[in-house]
Amino acid sequence: QLVLTQSPSASASLGASVKLTCTLSSGHSSYAIAWHQQQPEKGPRYLMKLNSDGSHNKGDGIPDRFSGSSSGAERYLTISSLQSEDEADYYCQTWGTGIQVFGGGTKLTVL
Amino acid sequence: EVQLVESGGGLVKPGGSLRLSCAASGFTFSSYSINWVRQAPGKGLEWVSSISSGSSYIYYADSVKGRFTISRDNAKNSLYLQMNSLRAEDTAVYYCARKDSRSGELDYWGQGTLVTVSS
Repeated sequence: QLVLTQSPSASASLGASVKLTCTLSSGHSSYAIAWHQQQPEKGPRYLMKLNSDGSHNKGDGIPDRFSGSSSGAERYLTISSLQSEDEADYYCQTWGTGIQVFGGGTKLTVL
Repeated sequence: EVQLVESGGGLVKPGGSLRLSCAASGFTFSSYSINWVRQAPGKGLEWVSSISSGSSYIYYADSVKGRFTISRDNAKNSLYLQMNSLRAEDTAVYYCARKDSRSGELDYWGQGTLVTVSS
C-alpha cells in the first residue's frame, strides 16, 4: 500500500535552515513526490516535484531558499534562511493510477 | 495566471446533498485532469476524486464512493462535485487542484469552499 509518512512537527530559528522528511512505504522507493506548503488559513501551494534521484522542478515563484533532495525512500524539503512566513504546514504528495496520496503533514514553527 | 475558484459550499443537514463547482481560468482546462481534495477542520489533506481531461477516467476515494459524483464541462471551464447522503465526517474545506499534464503532482490549487454537515 502506497503510504507517505511525515513527522507531525518541526521547529527552527529565524534565519536558520530546516530539513523536513517524507518517507515512502516499502516497495515504493522509486516514486516521485511533490511538496506543498499551507500557510495558516490559506489553501495549499505547490512547491516542487521531487524525483527519486533528487532532481526537482519548482513551482512558479518559489524562492531559491526551498530545495529538495532524496535518499532511498526518503524525500527531503530543505528551507534555508528561514523567514516568519515559512511557518506553515508542509505536505508531501504522491500518486498512483488515478489516485493521490498525502502524507499527514509537518507543522513547521519558526522560533 | 492559472486560477481555480471553488463555490457552492455551505451548511447542510446529514443525509442532504450539495453541489460544488470549480471555475478554472488561465490555462487550457480541457487538457488537464482535475482533482477534489478535502481538509477536515484541524486535519490533513485527503484526496476525494479525480477526473481526466475528457472525463474518460474517474476515480473516487473509498470514503465517498457511491455518494459523490465528479463531473466537468470543458465548454464552461468548470468542474463539479455532486455530494449526496452527506455525513458529519464530510465536513471539510473542499479544494479543486490541477494535476500536471505530464506527471502526477497537483500544481495549482483553489482557495477552497467550506462544507459543514450538521443538524
